[in-house]
Amino acid sequence: DTGVSQDPRHKITKRGQNVTFRCDPISEHNRLYWYRQTLGQGPEFLTYFQNEAQLEKSRLLSDRFSAERPKGSFSTLEIQRTEQGDSAMYLCASQQGNQETQYFGPGTRLLVL
Amino acid sequence: KQEVTQIPAALSVPEGENLVLNCSFTDSAIYNLQWFRQDPGKGLTSLLLIQSSQREQTSGRLNASLDKSSGRSTLYIAASQPGDSATYLCAVNSGGSNYKLTFGKGTLLTVNP
Repeated sequence: DTGVSQDPRHKITKRGQNVTFRCDPISEHNRLYWYRQTLGQGPEFLTYFQNEAQLEKSRLLSDRFSAERPKGSFSTLEIQRTEQGDSAMYLCASQQGNQETQYFGPGTRLLVL
Repeated sequence: KQEVTQIPAALSVPEGENLVLNCSFTDSAIYNLQWFRQDPGKGLTSLLLIQSSQREQTSGRLNASLDKSSGRSTLYIAASQPGDSATYLCAVNSGGSNYKLTFGKGTLLTVNP
């Protein structure tokens, strides 16, 4: 257990539905990342927060994706109008400002039918 | 754009054997490099982090080396055990303000009893 938690761990949804994932980082880590991992691939960067500010978004993050980190604590990642191509493991990681190790949560596995 | 390659994609060894996993990256201007372990369906566990100014890091039976000028890193596992079976991922941090990681596809290691 790295101290980063994610909820839910698994989500099955039908195409076109909206889904929301939550990440609780290690307490007092001001940096938070979302990555996406598809089968047989390494994780790919989606977006990054420093405190409550979203400072960078990957081109992988289409307009259907939105992420928030209110008050600089937990973060949510919402996918609207899900597509089968969104099926993947969504990983959250947190990092303390002056340290370089990123600590990953267990991930949320999404299956879009 | 940083690209990370891991060779081999899969490796099967008998218990007790020493082994080496390879990672190469295209842009040598890196901040640090991390090795992670991922068990099936799980999140990532950080194994070792090597700063760009370092040549190697050791933790127990694991030793990671870094040759930044040639764009290569290796993860050496001594006296492998069945519990070492997992996917090993190499990730490069190219610095900047966001510390995002660029991952390879991983090496799937199987240690046979």
